Order: sequence, then C-alpha cells, then structure tokens
Amino acid sequence: DSGVTQTPKHLITATGQRVTLRCSPRSGDLSVYWYQQSLDQGLQFLIQYYNGEERAKGNILERFSAQQFPDLHSELNLSSLELGDSALYFCASSVAPGFSTDTQYFGPGTRLTVL
Amino acid sequence: AQTVTQSQPEMSVQEAETVTLSCTYDTSENNYYLFWYKQPPSRQMILVIRQEAYKQQNATENRFSVNFQKAAKSFSLKISDSQLGDTAMYFCAFKDDAGGTSYGKLTFGQGTILTVHP
Repeated sequence: DSGVTQTPKHLITATGQRVTLRCSPRSGDLSVYWYQQSLDQGLQFLIQYYNGEERAKGNILERFSAQQFPDLHSELNLSSLELGDSALYFCASSVAPGFSTDTQYFGPGTRLTVL
Repeated sequence: AQTVTQSQPEMSVQEAETVTLSCTYDTSENNYYLFWYKQPPSRQMILVIRQEAYKQQNATENRFSVNFQKAAKSFSLKISDSQLGDTAMYFCAFKDDAGGTSYGKLTFGQGTILTVHP
C-alpha cells in the first residue's frame, strides 16, 4: 500500500457525460500528479499540482481539468467523454519536486470505461 | 523533450534465474533521475528502484540492481533469483531536475512484460 488513495476504483459511464476522479496524497506529500494509461498511448503525464497550485501540464485535453484543494486532495474532472477516454487514471504524490530524494508514489488507479 | 525507449516488449525467465531489462533515454540535461516501476496484474504501480544521474554508483535494492551508463544513456534493470511474484510489466521512467513546464513529471517507456516461469 503506497498510502495514496483514489476513488472510485471503477467507473462506467456513457459518451458525453462528465465524471470526477478523486485522489488523496500520502501524508506529508504536497505534490500531486495525474497520469493516464491507455493501450495506444501508454503512460502519459497529464497535470501536476503543488500545494494547491498548478505547476506543470502535459498533453491534457481541454475537456479535462483538475484542482488541488487546501487539504491537498485533488480531483480530476473529465467532461464530454469520448470512447477514447477509456483508460486507467493514476494519481501519484511526492513530498516536493525540488528535493533530490523526491519520488512519486502511485495510487491504485481509477479504471474509466466510456460506453 | 525527453524520450524513454524500452526495446523489449516481452521477456521471460525461469524461476531462480537472472534477467536483464533494457532501457535507453534521450536528454540534454546533465542532472536527472531514473526509475524502474513494476506493474503486476493488479495494475498497481510499484517503485522498484531509483538512480540519481550524479551518482556513479549503481543502485541496488535486494534482488534488483541497475546498470547505469550515463554516457551511453542506458539504464538497465537486473533481477536476480527471479521469483514468480516478479511477473509484471516493468516501466523505465525519467524525471529531470529542471524547472519549467516539465518540472517533476515522469516520462515513461513503453514497458516490458516479464513472465517468470516455474
């Protein structure tokens, strides 16, 4: 158990819908990262937050957004869902990216299926 | 942009034997970090080992060790005394030490599926 929690574990929804994925980082970690794992794209970085502020963005679609709250949990919002959004979404957390010992620990993931 | 390449889509090994998984990367940075993550059938991503580019000594964690060749931009993972529980997808990942838009993110290779046979 990495200490990172993600809910829900599984999500099945229809095209055009909107969903919210939730992540709670390890105790003491200030940074949260979101990754998408799909069969055709592999593991891709989406977005990073540090202490409530967005720090880095990857190839995140405009239909996707995220935020990190004062208690440091994060939510990833996916809207106008398409079949191609079906994937495993991981959240990872770390203490702070600037530390040399900084390491990301991953949650169990949320499996999203869009029908 | 950094890229990570794992040229072995699949590997297999007999229990108790040794196997090496390959990884190469491309970067213009001098300071960075490299990781191996394991993803078993449960799909959980588990950190196996990490290496700081400024350290010449290869990292070791129990049965797992790396061969880090900075000039060649190569970072292979050696698993000794393979166990059935080592069966998983293994991902090589790169993290740079720079600021800017790539700060902190991991760039992953395509993964290598390792099967350990009894």
